[in-house]
Amino acid sequence: DAKTTQPPSMDCAEGRAANLPCNHSTISGNEYVYWYRQIHSQGPQYIIHGLKNNETNEMASLIITEDRKSSTLILPHATLRDTAVYYCIVRAPYGGSQGNLIFGKGTKLSVKP
Amino acid sequence: GAVVSQHPSWVICKSGTSVKIECRSLDFQATTMFWYRQFPKQSLMLMATSNEGSKATYEQGVEKDKFLINHASLTLSTLTVTSAHPEDSSFYICSARDRRSSYNEQFFGPGTRLTVL
Repeated sequence: DAKTTQPPSMDCAEGRAANLPCNHSTISGNEYVYWYRQIHSQGPQYIIHGLKNNETNEMASLIITEDRKSSTLILPHATLRDTAVYYCIVRAPYGGSQGNLIFGKGTKLSVKP
Repeated sequence: GAVVSQHPSWVICKSGTSVKIECRSLDFQATTMFWYRQFPKQSLMLMATSNEGSKATYEQGVEKDKFLINHASLTLSTLTVTSAHPEDSSFYICSARDRRSSYNEQFFGPGTRLTVL
């Protein structure tokens, strides 16, 4: 079972920041938070991951609370092409079954003009 | 970034026939590959994990005799759906774990849509 809880859907205006929350209250000390997204009828795309520090890359920023029980993915300037289902996943960084990506239901983000 | 390809991208077959789907890591070696299945409006469900040169590990409820997985090399894994039936119609997605990555990064293919008539 997925270890995360996300809202089923969110809307965002084009050009505005999209903030996608994720709860992972049972996260273990060695588990990372990963974010993937899936555009309709395509394979999932990696976005970003982090352990406890905030992370930023060319796609997004990841803010992890100090207690690590929740996080927020931020798309700073959402475009129509960012419309997708966003998955928040916690997992260990190494191999074995603990390192498998287990997908929950995700958040369907709709970016509107 | 690392690229994973799947072939074919879509396939339509008659009930009772077998279908083979290929998954390739194009620019990296993958000791482990994964097969997922996704039904309409649902999330991805992990079917099995395959390691190069060894037998696949199937998730609970997935029939290993129906979904044959072969991971013959560090860049190729195949999924064969044997005696396919309409209920096997789904979006099949593979992913590959980059053996060089210290963060256990996993890259996904574009998926194969299987329709069984």
